Amino acid sequence: RKEVEQDPGPFNVPEGATVAFNCTYSNSASQSFFWYRQDCRKEPKLLMSVYSSGNEDGRFTAQLNRASQYISLLIRDSKLSDSATYLCVVVSGGSYIPTFGRGTSLIVHP
Amino acid sequence: SQTIHQWPATLVQPVGSPLSLECTVEGTSNPNLYWYRQAAGRGLQLLFYSVGIGQISSEVPQNLSASRPQDRQFILSSKKLLLSDSGFYLCAWSAGIQNTEAFFGQGTRLTVV
Repeated sequence: RKEVEQDPGPFNVPEGATVAFNCTYSNSASQSFFWYRQDCRKEPKLLMSVYSSGNEDGRFTAQLNRASQYISLLIRDSKLSDSATYLCVVVSGGSYIPTFGRGTSLIVHP
Repeated sequence: SQTIHQWPATLVQPVGSPLSLECTVEGTSNPNLYWYRQAAGRGLQLLFYSVGIGQISSEVPQNLSASRPQDRQFILSSKKLLLSDSGFYLCAWSAGIQNTEAFFGQGTRLTVV
């Protein structure tokens, strides 16, 4: 079983739609969680951290469910510019090595 | 502020040739450093990580090696490239403590021909 799993998609949605991605992780000792965005042929960039209480940044909401070992990302009112691959990242305590999911591709169309 | 530099951005190398990719970090000390590879349409695979000068951990046995000759310098090398070494190589750093994210260099797109 992979440490971090994501549905690769693609998720093909119209502008203005709400879309949600899930990510599951296998290491119950994981301590830190993040969502990154990667544009085509570019490096990944931090989108947002995921806190135990959940957090919101504009149209983006991230949540963590430790009991079920998954994190989610919700994007409201999708824009064309949201088209990218969204990577789930889990960091375990001790080593603090970021482990990446394969990424979920989002395509927002007019 | 912290910055990370990785070069070159693109590289085309023949099979059997050597490789050296360099990454440097500025604005921080004693960072954790990482080399990842991303094959086309696939996720990021951790190749090497380092928690200090001269300390290298390899995650995947392969045709590559890494070195950290200085605190903020991380080098990825190969003596003889294989076709399967083609991919997008990313250097990253983190503070190596809880709740801190990783920051990436611009990446090197390597094509072995």
